[in-house]
Amino acid sequence: AQSVTQLGSHVSVSEGALVLLRCNYSSSVPPYLFWYVQYPNQGLQLLLKYTTGATLVKGINGFEAEFKKSETSFHLTKPSAHMSDAAEYFCAVSEGGGGNKLTFGTGTQLKVEL
Amino acid sequence: DAGVIQSPRHEVTEMGQEVTLRCKPISGHNSLFWYRQTMMRGLELLIYFNNNVPIDDSGMPEDRFSAKMPNASFSTLKIQPSEPRDSAVYFCASSLNPGGGQDTQYFGPGTRLTVL
Repeated sequence: AQSVTQLGSHVSVSEGALVLLRCNYSSSVPPYLFWYVQYPNQGLQLLLKYTTGATLVKGINGFEAEFKKSETSFHLTKPSAHMSDAAEYFCAVSEGGGGNKLTFGTGTQLKVEL
Repeated sequence: DAGVIQSPRHEVTEMGQEVTLRCKPISGHNSLFWYRQTMMRGLELLIYFNNNVPIDDSGMPEDRFSAKMPNASFSTLKIQPSEPRDSAVYFCASSLNPGGGQDTQYFGPGTRLTVL
């Protein structure tokens, strides 16, 4: 069974600082990995995903994530935080094997301070 | 595209009443998912459908919950009778081309349910 661990339920950064949100996964099959973002009172929307190929994945709003198989990690980064990045971020892993069920992490609330 | 449409956006009801949540997936999508989000339990998958057929309902809490998808453009999640612990935000999501696990899920805005 797949699982996802997001370290740090709350992360606070200054505007302009590096954003690093951590995600580690467990999967018995080659994983497909996702980062979703949820703004207040909205549904989740996809930031980026890794399926196959290049391990460094670029997404919307300047975010990127690197798939590291040896570390079973898929950390999300952004070089310079903006106030509009304040939201909750969810890492997810697909069950694989042909199914499209996602297992989500518990989420990380990102706060951006002036 | 209008995106995934959910109704109502807010629902307040009393314990014991029947609640029906509605979802219209993105046109052409053939997978539909129902999630529940609470502070305590986070985001939980309740059930998902492929081509209108329920594939996995292992997340449905108990018999009080039921979901249907009578056609490709409509699904309902019903709670009967409702209880205060059912209070949560319920999300519907849809995706195109099930299988393989690579598909992006598109989420609706959610229904905030409060059971008094």
